[in-house]
Amino acid sequence: DADVTQTPRNRITKTGKRIMLECSQTKGHDRMYWYRQDPGLGLRLIYYSFDVKDINKGEISDGYSVSRQAQAKFSLSLESAIPNQTALYFCATSDRVGRAINEQFFGPGTRLTVL
Amino acid sequence: LAKTTQPISMDSYEGQEVNITCSHNNIATNDYITWYQQFPSQGPRFIIQGYKTKVTNEVASLFIPADRKSSTLSLPRVSLSDTAVYYCLVGRDDYKLSFGAGTTVTVRA
Repeated sequence: DADVTQTPRNRITKTGKRIMLECSQTKGHDRMYWYRQDPGLGLRLIYYSFDVKDINKGEISDGYSVSRQAQAKFSLSLESAIPNQTALYFCATSDRVGRAINEQFFGPGTRLTVL
Repeated sequence: LAKTTQPISMDSYEGQEVNITCSHNNIATNDYITWYQQFPSQGPRFIIQGYKTKVTNEVASLFIPADRKSSTLSLPRVSLSDTAVYYCLVGRDDYKLSFGAGTTVTVRA
């Protein structure tokens, strides 16, 4: 079974709808992240969480909110989806080890289309 | 954040060595250099990380000169399955890493 799972894998929704993307991990990591990827732009950090009570905004948090329900679960919500939020969304996790830059483990991604 | 510059794309053939150079002129003393690989429709995957000199693992080698203002990822004897986007990241905090556009490596038969 995959260590980092994302649901749904694909989603088509309409402008103005609320949508939630879910991420679960079995790696036992404290840190979780949400990124979005647009063609040719690499990945941009939306939110990150160092533990259940520690949630922080990333580079592009406007229009998004998150919830860390448990150590293993981190959800991303679009309260009122708009077409320019059409993108590939990735969840990632990393361990809290005090060495260098901790390796991030990514989920398979959720392809979201907002019509 | 250290800005990185890497080629947009590179072409190679099976069996050749591929070297991708990343420039990071304003790298800070505590920054590490990390490379990720991303296949189409998949999340990025960690390849290698280093601070100085040379690091080698089963997948790649990372060469970092003494001034640390650049680094080179070396992929030995590539195969078709090495076709992917390769990202060079420089920093010292997990949450401040920047995945730019990366280098698209295309391996041909």
